[in-house]
Amino acid sequence: AQSVTQLDSHVSVSEGTPVLLRCNYSSSYSPSLFWYVQHPNKGLQLLLKYTSAATLVKGINGFEAEFKKSETSFHLTKPSAHMSDAAEYFCVVSDLNTNAGKSTFGDGTTLTVKP
Amino acid sequence: NAGVTQTPKFRVLKTGQSMTLLCAQDMNHEYMYWYRQDPGMGLRLIHYSVGEGTTAKGEVPDGYNVSRLKKQNFLLGLESAAPSQTSVYFCASRKGGLNTEAFFGQGTRLTVV
Repeated sequence: AQSVTQLDSHVSVSEGTPVLLRCNYSSSYSPSLFWYVQHPNKGLQLLLKYTSAATLVKGINGFEAEFKKSETSFHLTKPSAHMSDAAEYFCVVSDLNTNAGKSTFGDGTTLTVKP
Repeated sequence: NAGVTQTPKFRVLKTGQSMTLLCAQDMNHEYMYWYRQDPGMGLRLIHYSVGEGTTAKGEVPDGYNVSRLKKQNFLLGLESAAPSQTSVYFCASRKGGLNTEAFFGQGTRLTVV
């Protein structure tokens, strides 16, 4: 079984300040982990993915995430928030060795960026 | 390069009506998925397919049926719509193999009145 918990349903930051979106996961296997972003009334876009290579993963738009097995975490960070980062963010875990790669989504974190 | 295309984008149904949502992908992906997204609940898997001619139930399959007659298309059917099926529906596809991410369509906003 696999699950994912996004620890904050809402995060609010000021433009130019760091962003931290927290995600914990559980999985019976070595998981693949993803962060997706969803802008209002849009589909989901992949930000980055962890696939058992480097534990620090760099994604698009300056985002990165660090896989910490001991903490079962995959937190998303960005050094300096931009207004265009305001969106919904989803942490996703997939056991790609089983279950046809079915993914389990967190409930999402809404990021608000204040001017 | 269309990726994953969903039709229609919006639809309003009356309770008891039926409809079919179409998902088409042009990336030759093996796996396809239908999710529903409800406020504060993330995405939940309705049905999925691991290849042409195969389908399987996901987390919330009741009230829905699917078909994958062609590799590029994955249809989601509602035989008798209910207000509880008001949601945003997303289709996704994924190439087979390890460590491959899913690509999502733009969503279909369905309201059942």
